[in-house]
Amino acid sequence: SAVISQKPSRDICQRGTSLTIQCQVDSQVTMMFWYRQQPGQSLTLIATANQGSEATYESGFVIDKFPISRPNLTFSTLTVSNMSPEDSSIYLCSVGDLAGSYEQYFGPGTRLTVT
Amino acid sequence: GENVEQHPSTLSVQEGDSAVIKCTYSDSASNYFPWYKQELGKGPQLIIDIRSNVGEKKDQRIAVTLNKTAKHFSLHITETQPEDSAVYFCAASNPPSGTYKYIFGTGTRLKVLA
Repeated sequence: SAVISQKPSRDICQRGTSLTIQCQVDSQVTMMFWYRQQPGQSLTLIATANQGSEATYESGFVIDKFPISRPNLTFSTLTVSNMSPEDSSIYLCSVGDLAGSYEQYFGPGTRLTVT
Repeated sequence: GENVEQHPSTLSVQEGDSAVIKCTYSDSASNYFPWYKQELGKGPQLIIDIRSNVGEKKDQRIAVTLNKTAKHFSLHITETQPEDSAVYFCAASNPPSGTYKYIFGTGTRLKVLA
């Protein structure tokens, strides 16, 4: 498995501003994923962020709104841009392909409220 | 597109009883099926998984069964305890030939009554 930390753990932001969420892993990983979990809902994949390549976004999510960086094998950031109240959610990063396994391990999440 | 249905959405059981959660997937190419437990305020925790070449897998009080023909898989928790209370999510994916992304079910809120 892997130990994953996220910063911040929670934040309250004003409409129209941006927030960058950090994800740090305690080991080198090939694949990192960013998910959104709206209140009381399931997890929806935003994008896959593999080191050395551009992030791949899922339908309904665009780079201008959710830019992602993946500068090395242990770190990634997700920015939520020009926020609106509809962006209030939990944002989770996960890592996968550890030692060739199929498992994904999740961070604790960042709880975002937009007012 | 790919879809995973999960039932029931809520489940209440008496402590010591068994709980069963069922998921059905649409993509016949799916070959890996993990289950996650999410406690309040925490990220999902992987509790058990199964690959398509196996029909059943067990780990102490939890087990997962897979029926590839019917495209459904189930989580079984025996001798439930209050600390089993959480939201459980199933997922399906198609590694390594496909992508590693997971399609999640809608979740089941399990309450174990003491």
